Amino acid sequence: AAGVIQSPRHLIKEKRETATLKCYPIPRHDTVYWYQQGPGQDPQFLISFYEKMQSDKGSIPDRFSAQQFSDYHSELNMSSLELGDSALYFCASSLARGAGELFFGEGSRLTVL
Amino acid sequence: KNQVEQSPQSLIILEGKNCTLQCNYTVSPFSNLRWYKQDTGRGPVSLTIMTFSENTKSNGRYTATLDADTKQSSLHITASQLSDSASYICVVSGGNKLTFGTGTQLKVEL
Repeated sequence: AAGVIQSPRHLIKEKRETATLKCYPIPRHDTVYWYQQGPGQDPQFLISFYEKMQSDKGSIPDRFSAQQFSDYHSELNMSSLELGDSALYFCASSLARGAGELFFGEGSRLTVL
Repeated sequence: KNQVEQSPQSLIILEGKNCTLQCNYTVSPFSNLRWYKQDTGRGPVSLTIMTFSENTKSNGRYTATLDADTKQSSLHITASQLSDSASYICVVSGGNKLTFGTGTQLKVEL
């Protein structure tokens, strides 16, 4: 069965550069979530989209932006990268705004040097 | 403020033994509670999802319980295996929001 696909799996950037992470949800899922997980920490909610519209916003820095496209894939854009942005970024998708089963991607590991 | 607290923070058990992980939450409104297993550096994988009316749900050697009155849940792992070594995360959903617990780090040793 198709799962949540994230790309790239690994990304190395330098300070002040930009990065874009992509997420392809499970087909027919209408909700996408983005999470940031630092080493040894629980995932922190960044932002979510329902039917291509932003539905909720968490602790997403102003330097970050995200959107969901017509094909339901989502992209997380990060600018002016800082060392503290180094983390695992997870995307998850579900049906019915999270009331249904929530499936996570394998994550994109961002390292900022 | 919505919170999900898990205990213990970490746990070491011998292979073949059973263990129980705890999750207490103060999330309102409440929609469902999920348990995830997360291997280091990998995405969380769902073990169980329970709604308000469900008291117990099993998935192989994993059995989750939910007491919606006391707002407590437990995850019982039977006959542990080395591959059970991972972080177990309790996630509570309510009002279209998900609140993550801090996780229990389980290590199964020979």
